[in-house]
Amino acid sequence: NAGVTQTPKFQVLKTGQSMTLQCAQDMNHEYMSWYRQDPGMGLRLIHYSVGAGITDQGEVPNGYNVSRSTTEDFPLRLLSAAPSQTSVYFCASRRGLGDRMENTEAFFGQGTRLTVV
Amino acid sequence: AQRVTQPEKLLSVFKGAPVELKCNYSYSGSPELFWYVQYSRQRLQLLLRHISRESIKGFTADLNKGETSFHLKKPFAQEEDSAMYYCALLTVYQGAQKLVFGQGTRLTINP
Repeated sequence: NAGVTQTPKFQVLKTGQSMTLQCAQDMNHEYMSWYRQDPGMGLRLIHYSVGAGITDQGEVPNGYNVSRSTTEDFPLRLLSAAPSQTSVYFCASRRGLGDRMENTEAFFGQGTRLTVV
Repeated sequence: AQRVTQPEKLLSVFKGAPVELKCNYSYSGSPELFWYVQYSRQRLQLLLRHISRESIKGFTADLNKGETSFHLKKPFAQEEDSAMYYCALLTVYQGAQKLVFGQGTRLTINP
């Protein structure tokens, strides 16, 4: 049981390049999210998904696209990288809505450190 | 609007001293609050949640709805408590759950 796996761990991009950050989970969780972590800003939600085929925007969605074709995978695409997207990106997953306490714990990947030059 | 505020970006205390990390929230619904911790070179992980009223690694947190606060406390800090701590609020809007995080507090325990 690997949990939440993100690839790559590190990436350097030139301004204008595109790339996809991969996220996969093997816990059959319905909810998946992408956050970016910046100093003094905490974790900000980029996009999230409540199940396969369903995605929605978070606080800071501009410049990013997502899709959820399977329960396991939730890739984050940078269409044209900008220096302002230099950050650490975290993917997280949770079980679905419900009353059970364990449904609400979020499990995080190890993060992807992205630098845009 | 839902918001989580952690007023201290940095907090430094000596080993054995009490520690309190502050968290205030703004939410019109019934709050469900969590503390997450990120140790050096490790992934973010759940420390505790208010609904279970548990003590984890000596830490406790009490939800105060009157003051809209969920402060994290430990009576005697240990060096291994040094980490980044995030307060988080689970919100529900139009059937969708979102986890909203505060800005984080970096806790350093000095020997």
